[in-house]
Amino acid sequence: GQQLNQSPQSMFIQEGEDVSMNCTSSSIFNTWLWYKQDPGEGPVLLIALYKAGELTSNGRLTAQFGITRKDSFLNISASIPSDVGIYFCKGGSEKLVFGKGTKLTVNP
Amino acid sequence: DVKVTQSSRYLVKRTGEKVFLECVQDMDHENMFWYRQDPGLGLRLIYFSYDVKMKEKGDIPEGYSVSREKKERFSLILESASTNQTSMYLCASTSGLDAYEQYFGPGTRLTVT
Repeated sequence: GQQLNQSPQSMFIQEGEDVSMNCTSSSIFNTWLWYKQDPGEGPVLLIALYKAGELTSNGRLTAQFGITRKDSFLNISASIPSDVGIYFCKGGSEKLVFGKGTKLTVNP
Repeated sequence: DVKVTQSSRYLVKRTGEKVFLECVQDMDHENMFWYRQDPGLGLRLIYFSYDVKMKEKGDIPEGYSVSREKKERFSLILESASTNQTSMYLCASTSGLDAYEQYFGPGTRLTVT
């Protein structure tokens, strides 16, 4: 079945640093989406990408839909303590497939 | 704003009990989903529904059933709870037009003892 490889699994950074995480797959997807899950809450949609090569920003967050349609990355610039949480990628085609998440810890 | 609510945030049940987890969305979404989330395993799809009274098995349906009698409500049923069903359960919904953009509830942390 379709699988996503999300990396890194976890990150420990200092406040103010930039963060980069990515998802790759052997399968082609029609859409890539990124979610954030705060501790004890459900995931919340951050960015949705619908076109290969698309680069989209949402505040300090930037995500790209890879040209091959098999990957996507998410960057967070100038991290702050409230960026803490788990970030999930999701690929969409006939099915919706989630990555296993990147757990981000930000030290003040 | 879309709101997805789940009946309980925390639930403790005994092995063998029948457990009902309720999910309600207020945006007239056609599609509803139940996931479980476990450390290191991510989100795994249990069941989903594209219409009232319609259900489809996800990746891990064993030990679960669902009910969708009304468009806004999607219930997950554990017929006989077991300890390996201790998990975080997440409900989600999407509209037919933006079917990839899921809205999640806050989750129910179920402990089966």
